[in-house]
This record gives sequence, C-alpha cells and structure tokens, in this order.
Amino acid sequence: GENVEQHPSTLSVQEGDSAVIKCTYSDSASNYFPWYKQELGKGPQLIIDIRSNVGEKKDQRIAVTLNKTAKHFSLHITETQPEDSAVYFCAPRPYNFNKFYFGSGTKLNVKP
Amino acid sequence: KAGVTQTPRYLIKTRGQQVTLSCSPISGHRSVSWYQQTPGQGLQFLFEYFSETQRNKGNFPGRFSGRQFSNSRSEMNVSTLELGDSALYLCASSPGPGQGNTEAFFGQGTRLTVV
Repeated sequence: GENVEQHPSTLSVQEGDSAVIKCTYSDSASNYFPWYKQELGKGPQLIIDIRSNVGEKKDQRIAVTLNKTAKHFSLHITETQPEDSAVYFCAPRPYNFNKFYFGSGTKLNVKP
Repeated sequence: KAGVTQTPRYLIKTRGQQVTLSCSPISGHRSVSWYQQTPGQGLQFLFEYFSETQRNKGNFPGRFSGRQFSNSRSEMNVSTLELGDSALYLCASSPGPGQGNTEAFFGQGTRLTVV
C-alpha cells in the first residue's frame, strides 16, 4: 500500500505570511494528489487537487506543486488569514481508486 | 445539491454493544468509503462500496462491517464494541469508477464514544 508522510506536523505563522506543507508518497501508481482541510468538528474538505500530468495548480491564495520524479507534492498558502487555521491532509492515490491513504496531518495556526 | 449526510452525529455506547452508522451520499454518487479518525492513528481507511459491492477493504478486524443499498446509502456496523473504537467515523462520497470526476466529498462524521 501507499506510504504517505506529511511535514511539518504543526506550523505556526503570522497572519499575512506564507505556509508550505509537504507530502511524500511511495506508490508510483499514484496520479491524483488532493489536499483536504479539516476544521474542528467537521469532515475534511477538498481545497485543491492536481493530476500527475500537471506540475502546478493555483486557486487564488492556494497552490499545489508536484514533483512526480521525487514523489512529493506541496501545498502553498499565501497571505494567510486566521480562517486558514485548521488541520490539512494530503491523500495521494491512483485516480479513480477510492482507497485513501492520508498523511498524518499538519495543524496550521495563523496568528492574528 | 445536498452534501453527504451522516447520522447520527454523536453516539455513546457501552463496551460489548454493537452500533450502526449511516451515510447518505451526494445524489448521483455511487461510491461510498468509510474512515476512522483517531488522534493516535489519524485517518484510516475502513472499506469502500460501489453498486452494493465492497470494492476495497482496510486492515480492520471482522467486527467492522458495512453494506450499501440500491439507493447508494451505506451503513457500517461495529459489533462487540471496545474502548479503542471510540473515534470519529467519516464517510466519503464520489461518483465511482468510470464516472469521470473522482473527487471525494466527506460528511461531518459520527462521533462514537465507547464507555
């Protein structure tokens, strides 16, 4: 099965700073790379994803970059806001295969 | 479009009892997968159902089981509850294989506490 590692486990930034979370994986069959945000008391919410034929994808303040050769992808959040505070999970997998292997999560704290 | 609905939201059970959790996927979605979330183990895959058939299964004991109905609603059952089964149980809904977009959407979860 997939071995997923996510770093850092906690990240504290000042409002307005950037945050970067990295996810490494082992399964070369993985070709779909989503990031989820989980707020307290809620289920994970998909915030951005990327397919293996694309190196980078951006959606307003959020971006994901993929290095398939090195088997890692990263979540970038710019101009962080207090509402970005949450736990973020990566879950790489083969597209169309609904068995998720989640990273251990990164607790992001954005200080006002 | 309604999201993924999980019931109940909270549940307290006694060791040795059994419990059934329910998940109604997004309309039109035919794949439902289940996850257990605990502080120590994180998010772990339990099983996935598509068209009433279990397609994938995680590494959980046989006390954990599930099923899917013809309307795609799914239930999971845990028998002979143990204290360690206390967790947030999440289900995720997606269109299913061959249905194009395979993004998965999660419900709010059921918080199970075993005492």
